[in-house]
Amino acid sequence: EPEVTQTPSHQVTQMGQEVILRCVPISNHLYFYWYRQILGQKVEFLVSFYNNEISEKSEIFDDQFSVERPDGSNFTLKIRSTKLEDSAMYFCASSEGTSGREETQYFGPGTRLLVL
Amino acid sequence: DAKTTQPPSMDCAEGRAANLPCNHSTISGNEYVYWYRQIHSQGPQYIIHGLKNNETNEMASLIITEDRKSSTLILPHATLRDTAVYYCIVRVGDDKIIFGKGTRLHILP
Repeated sequence: EPEVTQTPSHQVTQMGQEVILRCVPISNHLYFYWYRQILGQKVEFLVSFYNNEISEKSEIFDDQFSVERPDGSNFTLKIRSTKLEDSAMYFCASSEGTSGREETQYFGPGTRLLVL
Repeated sequence: DAKTTQPPSMDCAEGRAANLPCNHSTISGNEYVYWYRQIHSQGPQYIIHGLKNNETNEMASLIITEDRKSSTLILPHATLRDTAVYYCIVRVGDDKIIFGKGTRLHILP
């Protein structure tokens, strides 16, 4: 069964460093998403991406964040200068984008980011 | 904010049916009811969704009331591996998912 994959599973970085989180969405999917979950809190939407551009972003997704689909299979989230409060689980999701009102998002296993 | 209301926690004996309720009294006519679960910090796992008819798949059944203001997710024979946080979500199309706090389901041996 096709699934969303994410790398790395864990990332430790120093405050101020850049990190890139990688996702491989399900191959025929057209919509891509990033969510995050700070420990003990709710899963929060960050950004959605369709047709090579951002379709929606939350208040969390400020200028320090960017997304890219560098090739036909990868979808990346870059945090330019990490802060302590960026420590969280980051989940990638994808959906087909062809089912109209009925779109199911499938999530990857997540990347646990720890900023020291 | 999430458009659904769920009990914060529930217990269920292993082997019994787990019935998880959800209220979504402000659901719009074109919004679907989706259920996901999250097992201890893993990625949310899709379970089932429906519009107005009851639905069943290999994981669960979804019962939606006729007025669509509430629904129940049924896990027919709960196992210890079903211990998770269960999220009831209403959405349409490619909308982002707004997660609430969900119901923490404990399966008791």
